[in-house]
Amino acid sequence: ILNVEQSPQSLHVQEGDSTNFTCSFPSSNFYALHWYRWETAKSPEALFVMTLNGDEKKKGRISATLNTKEGYSYLYIKGSQPEDSATYLCAFTNTGGFKTIFGAGTRLFVKA
Amino acid sequence: SQTIHQWPATLVQPVGSPLSLECTVEGTSNPNLYWYRQAAGRGLQLLFYSVGIGQISSEVPQNLSASRPQDRQFILSSKKLLLSDSGFYLCSVDRGGGSYEQYFGPGTRLTVT
Repeated sequence: ILNVEQSPQSLHVQEGDSTNFTCSFPSSNFYALHWYRWETAKSPEALFVMTLNGDEKKKGRISATLNTKEGYSYLYIKGSQPEDSATYLCAFTNTGGFKTIFGAGTRLFVKA
Repeated sequence: SQTIHQWPATLVQPVGSPLSLECTVEGTSNPNLYWYRQAAGRGLQLLFYSVGIGQISSEVPQNLSASRPQDRQFILSSKKLLLSDSGFYLCSVDRGGGSYEQYFGPGTRLTVT
């Protein structure tokens, strides 16, 4: 059974704080690791997809790293803003098929 | 670019009633299609995926079924809804290029009463 774990479940920070979330996934049969941002009343939107061990991706104040050997990925947000408030989903795609399995997400609340 | 249509947007159905949710995709051909569900307080659960017409893979045992009668049409059905079927249903297509990055439709909010 493929299992993707995310921590923390929720996070409350002040505007300007930097924060990070963790995603753990199976280290075998790895194909790709995805991060999505899901705002309330909208659909999830892709942030990053990473396929190689050691990959680092960056988009503005948000960045992500990948360690496929130990099965974890970090998402970092530098200088959080209220508009960063959302649920951040991690998803794992394995080599065995077309399945992409999502974690339960980290709900971020940024207070102005 | 791809566009995903889902309907209805919201639905309130009594327990034991049937269900049919439809998803259609524009701007691509022979896509991999997926149905996900988010139950209250939980993450996205993969329900079904399809790599072609008439090809359906089920991920969890449940009273739901899926069909793909046309290349860009994906339907989620149930003969008798349960209270536990309430949730937010998302249809998605992977963007291709081998990354399996998902592009999601607007979703259907289903409440079973």
